[in-house]
Amino acid sequence: NAGVMQNPRHLVRRRGQEARLRCSPMKGHSHVYWYRQLPEEGLKFMVYLQKENIIDESGMPKERFSAEFPKEGPSILRIQQVVRGDSAAYFCASSPPGASKNIQYFGAGTRLSVL
Amino acid sequence: AQSVTQLGSHVSVSEGALVLLRCNYSSSVPPYLFWYVQYPNQGLQLLLKYTSAATLVKGINGFEAEFKKSETSFHLTKPSAHMSDAAEYFCAVSGLGAQKLVFGQGTRLTINP
Repeated sequence: NAGVMQNPRHLVRRRGQEARLRCSPMKGHSHVYWYRQLPEEGLKFMVYLQKENIIDESGMPKERFSAEFPKEGPSILRIQQVVRGDSAAYFCASSPPGASKNIQYFGAGTRLSVL
Repeated sequence: AQSVTQLGSHVSVSEGALVLLRCNYSSSVPPYLFWYVQYPNQGLQLLLKYTSAATLVKGINGFEAEFKKSETSFHLTKPSAHMSDAAEYFCAVSGLGAQKLVFGQGTRLTINP
């Protein structure tokens, strides 16, 4: 059973470009979470999604950031018009339905560098 | 609202010595508590979890943690440190149901030979 898969592992963008980060949850997992880790800091929650639904986006910046988890395919975190302050590691986590849904399993992350 | 405080951003111990990483939490609902470990340039790996069962929780790699409600603490310990334990450790809290994790700032553990 493959773990949470994130790609790309490293992404370099110039200011003003768009960044698309992909996350495939573990097989059978229906909950996806995105977190951001700034240098020398802990992880900060961004958004929680189930298939085709955003459940909690209280940690998402109000502008330029969006997330989706379509019926088919991976979850996508999209950052439009990136700025240097968006440089960070972005982690995706997934959890199964049912009694174990509190346990989140993390991917290896995407490290975004904005030049 | 929930929050986590990890006391000590850097902890250094000798190989073979006791490891103690401190975590205090604040939660308005019964908490679920977690410790994760992060090796350089990698994702987070779950070490152990407390989900309202036994207060002493055993995890992987010889780590354990004790939930103390009266002290709102969930400190992580290991009797004898190994060089491979050098990493960043994060304490996290969540509430009932599939909810977001709130992380502490992390503690970087260094093991001296």
